[in-house]
Amino acid sequence: DQQVKQNSPSLSVQEGRISILNCDYTNSMFDYFLWYKKYPAEGPTFLISISSIKDKNEDGRFTVFLNKSAKHLSLHIVPSQPGDSAVYFCAASLGGNEKLTFGTGTRLTIIP
Amino acid sequence: GAVVSQHPSRVICKSGTSVKIECRSLDFQATTMFWYRQFPKQSLMLMATSNEGSKATYEQGVEKDKFLINHASLTLSTLTVTSAHPEDSSFYICSARREGYTDTQYFGPGTRLTVL
Repeated sequence: DQQVKQNSPSLSVQEGRISILNCDYTNSMFDYFLWYKKYPAEGPTFLISISSIKDKNEDGRFTVFLNKSAKHLSLHIVPSQPGDSAVYFCAASLGGNEKLTFGTGTRLTIIP
Repeated sequence: GAVVSQHPSRVICKSGTSVKIECRSLDFQATTMFWYRQFPKQSLMLMATSNEGSKATYEQGVEKDKFLINHASLTLSTLTVTSAHPEDSSFYICSARREGYTDTQYFGPGTRLTVL
């Protein structure tokens, strides 16, 4: 049972444009969400997170939006840069539990 | 920033041998570390939660006698794959939760295990 889903396995975006990565979850008890970036043969790198009490969090070029009623979150990257090409995972945790449930990942390719 | 290292980065071993993977938090203390595995083109799957000074907590379906975890100090956790078989070949990644920084895990670079 995949509780965190990223339905787009891949996404291509022109350099300078906005990249939007989506993530859906089924467990309404999740209360903390994170986005990680991963290069091949490397561990994930933390990007940005959001608590369920917020609906938006911004850090530089990265903004995460949370829609609790739809159980949906998205990561916006603007402007997109070639170095952003990687696999992006969303993850969720619940009730202070430290365990993270990861989505299946979306491979983002930025086209120069 | 918080740095987590893993050693070795890749290992090839014969079937039936045991392999130890180390995970270290280099610039912070971590009472809790996590071990994940990732199969090609799949998500990271949590295997176990490692707590300093106590027994690890394993996820359902993970054999604790096969995947031995020792969290000997606030900066070191080890995962030993005992009697490895080809189906254990995978990418193993550890993460550490930094004290005082709730809910954010910092990941190591991963270890590629290939069992022949």
